[in-house]
Amino acid sequence: GDSVTQTEGLVTLTKGLPVMLNCTYQTTYSPFLFWYVQHLNEAPKLLLKSSTDNKRTEHQGFYATLHKSSSSFHLQKSSVQLSDSALYFCALIVMSNYNVLYFGSGTKLTVEP
Amino acid sequence: EAAVTQSPRSKVAVTGGKVTLSCHQTNNHDYMYWYRQDTGHGLRLIHYSYVADSTEKGDIPDGYKASRPSQENFSLILELASLSQTAVYFCASSDRYEQYFGPGTRLTVL
Repeated sequence: GDSVTQTEGLVTLTKGLPVMLNCTYQTTYSPFLFWYVQHLNEAPKLLLKSSTDNKRTEHQGFYATLHKSSSSFHLQKSSVQLSDSALYFCALIVMSNYNVLYFGSGTKLTVEP
Repeated sequence: EAAVTQSPRSKVAVTGGKVTLSCHQTNNHDYMYWYRQDTGHGLRLIHYSYVADSTEKGDIPDGYKASRPSQENFSLILELASLSQTAVYFCASSDRYEQYFGPGTRLTVL
């Protein structure tokens, strides 16, 4: 079935270091992947989205590339800031199923001074 | 900008009582969703709807009912609230590709 896997539950980094959060997916349909960010006590907000193979998409310093060959959509940033501390969710939309989003389990990113 | 509102923003309910969570969107979106989030964890789909007067079961529908009386409004109903339903509930609406989330309702069942 359709699913998303995020392997890191918790990532702790020092400010200024690079980060990569892993996301792999499984689907028999054409993939459309998303990254959502959720700050403490807030709603999830869209960070990135892509359905184009091998094209880098960027927003707010974060970037990701959809690789259909490896079924991956990893989130990266070259230099994390304290304000990046949040929950990050990778999600897959299956438009053949009423646009239902399949969320990964999430990665909590904590950035320390 | 897309607008999804939820009411109430927080609620304390008693075990066995009835709880209704409301969601209103002004995005003119056909699709609406109810999710549940437990502290520090991911979002799980409870019910969704793609048209007024019709609802579908998501991944965890047991103990929940949904109602979509109009395109703009989507309610989540807990007929007999239980301790295990303590969580934050998010509503979302969707165009073809992107889901827009409401601010959430924090439900505590005592």
